Amino acid sequence: GNSVTQMEGPVTLSEEAFLTINCTYTATGYPSLFWYVQYPGEGLQLLLKATKADDKGSNKGFEATYRKETTSFHLEKGSVQVSDSAVYFCALKVVAGGTSYGKLTFGQGTILTVHP
Amino acid sequence: NAGVMQNPRHLVRRRGQEARLRCSPMKGHSHVYWYRQLPEEGLKFMVYLQKENIIDESGMPKERFSAEFPKEGPSILRIQQVVRGDSAAYFCASSPFGTGGLAEQYFGPGTRLTVT
Repeated sequence: GNSVTQMEGPVTLSEEAFLTINCTYTATGYPSLFWYVQYPGEGLQLLLKATKADDKGSNKGFEATYRKETTSFHLEKGSVQVSDSAVYFCALKVVAGGTSYGKLTFGQGTILTVHP
Repeated sequence: NAGVMQNPRHLVRRRGQEARLRCSPMKGHSHVYWYRQLPEEGLKFMVYLQKENIIDESGMPKERFSAEFPKEGPSILRIQQVVRGDSAAYFCASSPFGTGGLAEQYFGPGTRLTVT
């Protein structure tokens, strides 16, 4: 089956610090990989995605590279801001194969708190 | 274009009562996914529907849970005879017609169900 494992949280950083949130996966088939962000009281928003090996997804200063050899998709940001405080979810989707129907498989989420 | 709407945002039910959760997809979207987020866990897929059809309900508990997406009106997730273990956040996501699992899913803000 498909599964996603994220680093244990919560993560607490000072403003302008470097952020890494680790994500590894197992999948039957060739997955697309995603990072979603959930701000307090809101639904999930797509942050970035990558659909094939060595692709780099990027958005709002966040980056993640699809590493097939290590089955990883780690999220990084060079300088975090207080406004980045949220819960971050790594997820995968396998479309090929006929029975996945595009459903997402999520990691358990990582709470990020950034202090001024 | 309004986003995915869910109501109510918060729902409190006593054990044994019924819970009805509603999801109005984005305009023009005819695919709906429901996910459940238990405390301290990531989101777990429950069911995937297209208008008037259940396509994949592999994540739905076998008893007490049902879902529908009628030709007119919102998608409904119904939980009969709720128990404390049903307390969770329930999210729906919609995606456009005709692009199946390839399309991005847009999430609603969720309904937080509390069973007392």
